[in-house]
Amino acid sequence: GAGVSQTPSNKVTEKGKYVELRCDPISGHTALYWYRQSLGQGPEFLIYFQGTGAADDSGLPNDRFFAVRPEGSVSTLKIQRTERGDSAVYLCASSLTPLVGPSGYTFGSGTRLTVV
Amino acid sequence: DAKTTQPPSMDCAEGRAANLPCNHSTISGNEYVYWYRQIHSQGPQYIIHGLKNNETNEMASLIITEDRKSSTLILPHATLRDTAVYYCIVRSGSGNTPLVFGKGTRLSVIA
Repeated sequence: GAGVSQTPSNKVTEKGKYVELRCDPISGHTALYWYRQSLGQGPEFLIYFQGTGAADDSGLPNDRFFAVRPEGSVSTLKIQRTERGDSAVYLCASSLTPLVGPSGYTFGSGTRLTVV
Repeated sequence: DAKTTQPPSMDCAEGRAANLPCNHSTISGNEYVYWYRQIHSQGPQYIIHGLKNNETNEMASLIITEDRKSSTLILPHATLRDTAVYYCIVRSGSGNTPLVFGKGTRLSVIA
Protein backbone atom coordinates (compact mmCIF):
# COMPACT_ATOMS: atom_id res chain seq x y z
CA GLY A 1 0.00 0.00 0.00
CA ALA A 2 0.90 3.65 -0.18
CA GLY A 3 1.27 4.09 3.55
CA VAL A 4 1.38 2.27 6.87
CA SER A 5 -2.02 0.81 7.65
CA GLN A 6 -3.17 0.03 11.19
CA THR A 7 -6.29 -1.88 12.10
CA PRO A 8 -8.60 -1.46 13.81
CA SER A 9 -8.57 2.32 14.08
CA ASN A 10 -10.48 2.07 17.34
CA LYS A 11 -10.82 -0.78 19.81
CA VAL A 12 -12.82 -0.86 23.02
CA THR A 13 -12.28 -3.85 25.27
CA GLU A 14 -13.11 -4.90 28.78
CA LYS A 15 -10.49 -5.07 31.49
CA GLY A 16 -8.88 -8.50 31.55
CA LYS A 17 -9.52 -9.30 27.89
CA TYR A 18 -6.95 -10.09 25.20
CA VAL A 19 -6.46 -7.80 22.20
CA GLU A 20 -4.49 -7.86 18.97
CA LEU A 21 -3.50 -4.78 17.02
CA ARG A 22 -2.34 -5.11 13.43
CA CYS A 23 0.18 -3.12 11.42
CA ASP A 24 0.68 -3.37 7.64
CA PRO A 25 3.94 -1.59 6.79
CA ILE A 26 4.88 -0.09 3.45
CA SER A 27 5.72 -2.89 1.02
CA GLY A 28 9.43 -3.66 1.07
CA HIS A 29 10.15 -1.90 4.36
CA THR A 30 12.27 -4.21 6.48
CA ALA A 31 12.21 -2.22 9.72
CA LEU A 32 9.04 -1.89 11.78
CA TYR A 33 8.50 0.02 15.04
CA TRP A 34 5.72 0.04 17.62
CA TYR A 35 5.04 3.01 19.89
CA ARG A 36 2.24 3.91 22.24
CA GLN A 37 1.01 7.39 23.04
CA SER A 38 -0.96 8.49 26.06
CA LEU A 39 -2.94 11.72 26.11
CA GLY A 40 -0.68 14.76 26.24
CA GLN A 41 2.51 12.73 25.91
CA GLY A 42 4.88 12.02 23.06
CA PRO A 43 5.03 8.54 21.53
CA GLU A 44 6.78 5.99 23.75
CA PHE A 45 8.93 3.31 22.07
CA LEU A 46 7.84 -0.30 22.61
CA ILE A 47 9.61 -2.65 20.18
CA TYR A 48 11.46 -2.64 16.86
CA PHE A 49 11.70 -5.42 14.26
CA GLN A 50 14.32 -5.93 11.61
CA GLY A 51 12.81 -8.49 9.28
CA THR A 52 11.14 -11.20 11.32
CA GLY A 53 13.16 -10.75 14.49
CA ALA A 54 12.74 -8.31 17.33
CA ALA A 55 15.93 -6.25 17.31
CA ASP A 56 15.01 -4.22 20.41
CA ASP A 57 12.10 -4.95 22.74
CA SER A 58 13.36 -2.87 25.64
CA GLY A 59 10.28 -0.65 25.63
CA LEU A 60 7.70 -3.36 26.27
CA PRO A 61 6.33 -2.47 29.71
CA ASN A 62 5.78 -6.03 30.98
CA ASP A 63 5.19 -9.59 29.89
CA ARG A 64 1.54 -8.93 29.05
CA PHE A 65 2.79 -7.24 25.89
CA PHE A 66 4.11 -9.27 22.98
CA ALA A 67 4.61 -8.59 19.28
CA VAL A 68 5.30 -10.78 16.28
CA ARG A 69 6.22 -10.33 12.64
CA PRO A 70 6.34 -13.91 11.33
CA GLU A 71 6.89 -13.21 7.63
CA GLY A 72 8.76 -9.95 7.89
CA SER A 73 5.88 -7.77 6.75
CA VAL A 74 2.66 -7.55 8.80
CA SER A 75 3.12 -7.24 12.56
CA THR A 76 0.71 -7.90 15.39
CA LEU A 77 0.96 -6.37 18.84
CA LYS A 78 -0.71 -8.58 21.42
CA ILE A 79 -1.82 -7.50 24.87
CA GLN A 80 -2.98 -10.04 27.43
CA ARG A 81 -5.13 -9.36 30.50
CA THR A 82 -5.65 -5.75 29.50
CA GLU A 83 -5.69 -3.08 32.19
CA ARG A 84 -7.24 0.40 32.15
CA GLY A 85 -3.71 1.84 32.10
CA ASP A 86 -3.14 0.22 28.71
CA SER A 87 -5.58 2.70 27.17
CA ALA A 88 -3.60 4.72 24.62
CA VAL A 89 -3.02 5.21 20.91
CA TYR A 90 -0.73 2.51 19.56
CA LEU A 91 1.37 3.72 16.63
CA CYS A 92 3.29 1.70 14.09
CA ALA A 93 6.06 2.98 11.80
CA SER A 94 8.16 1.39 9.10
CA SER A 95 11.33 2.29 7.22
CA LEU A 96 13.10 0.83 4.20
CA THR A 97 15.99 -0.30 6.35
CA PRO A 98 17.02 0.72 9.87
CA LEU A 99 20.11 2.33 8.39
CA VAL A 100 17.93 4.81 6.54
CA GLY A 101 17.40 6.43 9.90
CA PRO A 102 14.52 8.42 11.29
CA SER A 103 14.14 10.52 8.16
CA GLY A 104 12.80 7.38 6.55
CA TYR A 105 10.20 6.53 9.20
CA THR A 106 6.59 6.52 8.00
CA PHE A 107 3.98 6.33 10.73
CA GLY A 108 0.47 4.98 10.55
CA SER A 109 -2.49 6.81 12.06
CA GLY A 110 -2.60 4.48 15.03
CA THR A 111 -5.10 2.30 16.87
CA ARG A 112 -6.91 3.95 19.75
CA LEU A 113 -7.31 1.32 22.47
CA THR A 114 -9.76 1.94 25.29
CA VAL A 115 -9.94 -0.50 28.18
CA VAL A 116 -13.14 -0.15 30.21
CA ASP B 1 16.16 11.25 30.73
CA ALA B 2 15.08 13.83 28.18
CA LYS B 3 17.86 14.90 25.85
CA THR B 4 15.94 17.93 24.58
CA THR B 5 13.97 20.77 26.14
CA GLN B 6 11.16 22.52 24.28
CA PRO B 7 8.53 25.06 25.37
CA PRO B 8 5.19 23.32 25.90
CA SER B 9 3.24 25.67 23.63
CA MET B 10 3.55 28.58 21.21
CA ASP B 11 1.24 30.71 19.09
CA CYS B 12 1.95 32.13 15.65
CA ALA B 13 -0.08 34.37 13.37
CA GLU B 14 -0.99 32.91 10.01
CA GLY B 15 1.44 33.99 7.30
CA ARG B 16 4.20 34.83 9.76
CA ALA B 17 7.32 32.79 10.43
CA ALA B 18 7.08 30.27 13.24
CA ASN B 19 10.35 29.82 15.14
CA LEU B 20 10.39 26.78 17.40
CA PRO B 21 13.35 26.52 19.78
CA CYS B 22 14.98 23.41 21.17
CA ASN B 23 17.74 23.05 23.75
CA HIS B 24 20.02 20.01 23.58
CA SER B 25 22.96 21.05 25.73
CA THR B 26 24.23 17.48 26.26
CA ILE B 27 24.33 16.57 22.57
CA SER B 28 27.39 14.57 21.58
CA GLY B 29 29.47 14.77 18.44
CA ASN B 30 27.80 12.00 16.47
CA GLU B 31 24.23 12.90 17.37
CA TYR B 32 21.84 14.44 14.88
CA VAL B 33 18.91 16.74 15.57
CA TYR B 34 15.62 15.54 14.08
CA TRP B 35 12.30 17.33 13.91
CA TYR B 36 8.94 15.63 13.59
CA ARG B 37 5.43 16.99 13.84
CA GLN B 38 2.12 15.38 14.74
CA ILE B 39 -1.14 16.78 13.53
CA HIS B 40 -4.21 15.85 15.56
CA SER B 41 -5.28 12.21 15.13
CA GLN B 42 -2.37 11.39 12.83
CA GLY B 43 0.98 9.71 13.32
CA PRO B 44 4.18 11.79 13.52
CA GLN B 45 5.60 13.11 10.26
CA TYR B 46 9.28 13.69 9.52
CA ILE B 47 10.20 17.34 8.82
CA ILE B 48 13.96 17.78 8.70
CA HIS B 49 17.23 16.80 10.37
CA GLY B 50 20.79 18.08 10.64
CA LEU B 51 24.18 17.51 12.25
CA LYS B 52 25.87 20.90 12.43
CA ASN B 53 25.13 22.80 9.25
CA ASN B 54 21.89 24.65 8.70
CA GLU B 55 19.43 22.72 6.57
CA THR B 56 16.47 23.71 4.42
CA ASN B 57 13.85 21.70 2.58
CA GLU B 58 10.41 22.33 1.16
CA MET B 59 8.83 22.19 4.60
CA ALA B 60 11.15 24.09 6.90
CA SER B 61 14.60 25.36 7.81
CA LEU B 62 16.75 24.11 10.66
CA ILE B 63 19.25 26.44 12.29
CA ILE B 64 21.80 24.81 14.62
CA THR B 65 24.00 26.97 16.82
CA GLU B 66 27.74 26.71 16.38
CA ASP B 67 28.18 24.95 19.72
CA ARG B 68 25.27 22.62 18.73
CA LYS B 69 23.63 23.08 22.12
CA SER B 70 20.43 24.45 20.66
CA SER B 71 18.52 24.68 17.42
CA THR B 72 15.53 26.41 15.89
CA LEU B 73 13.00 25.03 13.46
CA ILE B 74 11.60 27.72 11.18
CA LEU B 75 8.36 27.46 9.26
CA PRO B 76 8.72 30.51 6.99
CA HIS B 77 5.04 31.23 6.30
CA ALA B 78 2.87 29.38 8.81
CA THR B 79 -0.60 28.27 7.75
CA LEU B 80 -3.50 26.92 9.78
CA ARG B 81 -2.52 23.43 8.60
CA ASP B 82 0.80 23.79 10.45
CA THR B 83 -1.03 23.64 13.79
CA ALA B 84 0.50 20.54 15.41
CA VAL B 85 2.81 19.24 18.10
CA TYR B 86 6.45 19.61 17.05
CA TYR B 87 9.07 17.22 18.43
CA CYS B 88 12.80 17.90 18.56
CA ILE B 89 14.76 14.65 18.91
CA VAL B 90 18.46 13.98 19.33
CA ARG B 91 19.66 10.64 18.05
CA SER B 92 22.96 8.96 17.30
CA GLY B 93 23.84 8.87 13.63
CA SER B 94 25.24 5.38 13.96
CA GLY B 95 23.43 2.24 14.94
CA ASN B 96 19.78 1.41 14.91
CA THR B 97 18.46 3.13 17.99
CA PRO B 98 14.78 4.06 17.69
CA LEU B 99 13.48 7.60 17.97
CA VAL B 100 12.81 8.75 21.54
CA PHE B 101 10.08 11.42 21.71
CA GLY B 102 9.59 14.01 24.44
CA LYS B 103 6.43 16.05 24.93
CA GLY B 104 7.17 18.51 22.14
CA THR B 105 5.83 22.01 21.50
CA ARG B 106 2.19 22.52 20.67
CA LEU B 107 2.13 25.18 17.94
CA SER B 108 -1.16 26.96 17.34
CA VAL B 109 -1.36 29.00 14.13
CA ILE B 110 -3.99 31.68 14.50
CA ALA B 111 -5.90 33.34 11.65
